[in-house]
Amino acid sequence: AQTVTQSQPEMSVQEAETVTLSCTYDTSESNYYLFWYKQPPSRQMILVIRQEAYKQQNATENRFSVNFQKAAKSFSLKISDSQLGDTAMYFCAFMKKSNTDKLIFGTGTRLQVFP
Amino acid sequence: AAGVIQSPRHLIKEKRETATLKCYPIPRHDTVYWYQQGPGQDPQFLISFYEKMQSDKGSIPDRFSAQQFSDYHSELNMSSLELGDSALYFCASSLPFHEQFFGPGTRLTVL
Repeated sequence: AQTVTQSQPEMSVQEAETVTLSCTYDTSESNYYLFWYKQPPSRQMILVIRQEAYKQQNATENRFSVNFQKAAKSFSLKISDSQLGDTAMYFCAFMKKSNTDKLIFGTGTRLQVFP
Repeated sequence: AAGVIQSPRHLIKEKRETATLKCYPIPRHDTVYWYQQGPGQDPQFLISFYEKMQSDKGSIPDRFSAQQFSDYHSELNMSSLELGDSALYFCASSLPFHEQFFGPGTRLTVL
């Protein structure tokens, strides 16, 4: 069975600074995807970034980038130039590479961005 | 771009009543997933459908059932509601081997 662990229940960062959210996972699968989802106070689940396990290059989406360490089973999210709108709960999620597999979420990290 | 549509957005029911939640996936997405998110918790997978057939089942109570129709929309039917069923219910849709996109959720309150 796959597990996802987020060891930081809460983080805070000042506007314009950089923050890194940690995520580790456990799996025996070789082909899978990893995701970061953002859940702001509206409770909408928004996809932030995706990483395919077979790709060595770390994914980047504007101010968001990941550090994917496959051997260590680590998948951290770096947010650069933090903005007030980044305040949200962030969930790390794992999905086996199949046409219909479910997402397995970590327990989330609540990020507060201060002015 | 079109997103996943869920209805209703809010629902209040009494214990032992029934509820039906509806989900309309993004056009051309053939896979639908249902998740339940309790207060302060991460989303938990309930059930999924691919091409109108159930593809996977998670921690879904026997009191709940779901199906996907010919137009790919899906309905989650919940009977004999309990206080513990109060949660945010998400529907997500995807293309095969692609990321899942979530709807806005249905907030169910059981009194």
